Amino acid sequence: DTGVSQDPRHKITKRGQNVTFRCDPISEHNRLYWYRQTLGQGPEFLTYFQNEAQLEKSRLLSDRFSAERPKGSFSTLEIQRTEQGDSAMYLCASSLSFYEQYFGPGTRLTVT
Amino acid sequence: AQKVTQAQTEISVVEKEDVTLDCVYETRDTTYYLFWYKQPPSGELVFLIRRNSFDEQNEISGRYSWNFQKSTSSFNFTITASQVVDSAVYFCALFGGTSYGKLTFGQGTILTVHP
Repeated sequence: DTGVSQDPRHKITKRGQNVTFRCDPISEHNRLYWYRQTLGQGPEFLTYFQNEAQLEKSRLLSDRFSAERPKGSFSTLEIQRTEQGDSAMYLCASSLSFYEQYFGPGTRLTVT
Repeated sequence: AQKVTQAQTEISVVEKEDVTLDCVYETRDTTYYLFWYKQPPSGELVFLIRRNSFDEQNEISGRYSWNFQKSTSSFNFTITASQVVDSAVYFCALFGGTSYGKLTFGQGTILTVHP
């Protein structure tokens, strides 16, 4: 399978705990995006990387959220001190061009 | 600011019926791209089509067709002779030429096709 992969697929955590998600993009893709999707809504943009540089961040990405792409390959999204409002599906997408994003299966986070 | 509106929250049809999903968008960019994605119960977003703002030709792909009208800022999606496998959530999305490819999604339309 050469698509975008995300790990874990599901995460249940208690409020206040830290969580980290990983995204492995399609190998030659230099662009990587994170989105968040809450129940009944469309995905919302969180952040964008071109290679290892984080070029855009949404205001949704509070100071409890941090994303990295250290070598321009995989990316991690960390949420510190999780809150119940963080419960959502976190989607990763990668692309070579701006107009053809390939999405991964997502990580579903439940904060209890 | 960019905005995508999918006014239909849920649509229910019987197999073989035709169904149209509406999408209206707002953007100040003169160059922009419109998309439709399908999200089956498994959760993964599946790309269906992309159109740029300079190409208003309608497109047909098998049972799927898209109608792009700049004058009304609409990009509607029609499934002809719907099938049970078409049941999914469908999202319309937009990005403008200045936004690094950041997609703005509509709220989605849940399509249920009954046998």
